[in-house]
Amino acid sequence: DTEVTQTPKHLVMGMTNKKSLKCEQHMGHRAMYWYKQKAKKPPELMFVYSYEKLSINESVPSRFSPECPNSSLLNLHLHALQPEDSALYLCASSQEFTLPGELFFGEGSRLTVL
Amino acid sequence: KNEVEQSPQNLTAQEGEFITINCSYSVGISALHWLQQHPGGGIVSLFMLSSGKKKHGRLIATINIQEKHSSLHITASHPRDSAVYICAVPSKGGSQGNLIFGKGTKLSVKP
Repeated sequence: DTEVTQTPKHLVMGMTNKKSLKCEQHMGHRAMYWYKQKAKKPPELMFVYSYEKLSINESVPSRFSPECPNSSLLNLHLHALQPEDSALYLCASSQEFTLPGELFFGEGSRLTVL
Repeated sequence: KNEVEQSPQNLTAQEGEFITINCSYSVGISALHWLQQHPGGGIVSLFMLSSGKKKHGRLIATINIQEKHSSLHITASHPRDSAVYICAVPSKGGSQGNLIFGKGTKLSVKP
């Protein structure tokens, strides 16, 4: 199994809603990542989890709250988002945080904030 | 911080043509990634390389560490190759997933 699965594929939410994005991998990877991608732009790193601990938070606003319940699962909790947060949210994983290794990306969750 | 430059930004080719996309970076790296993204879709990792050359089907990636340059070649291009191709390298001093991405090359292959 060489897949990173993201759900939901599409999400529309209001600014007062609370929702979550989910990412799952069963490759035994110990590093997992959240990226945000705006249209026609490259992805931007948001968070890095290594061995289920938050290693990097790229100054992301607190309305985005990551969670890593176990080594296979990474969530991104969303609360009080703004319309400018509308984007494609990509999850990725790799074998290790610090060693060179292939990155496996999910298909992304397309978020629209009304 | 590592800077990544890709060229060309846009590329239109006829089916069957040989395609080359170039990537230059500014700081020493441990590995370079070539990624593919179809419109509205997720990202697929094509290659990760740290030296020499790799081949997978019709795709070939090369890297010259001394010149800080990499190329992605597509032989016998096909309309299904139409996508954005992105070069990415680790941020200086950063983790492997803390990537600096090029702006991408949008490839359109016409039948």
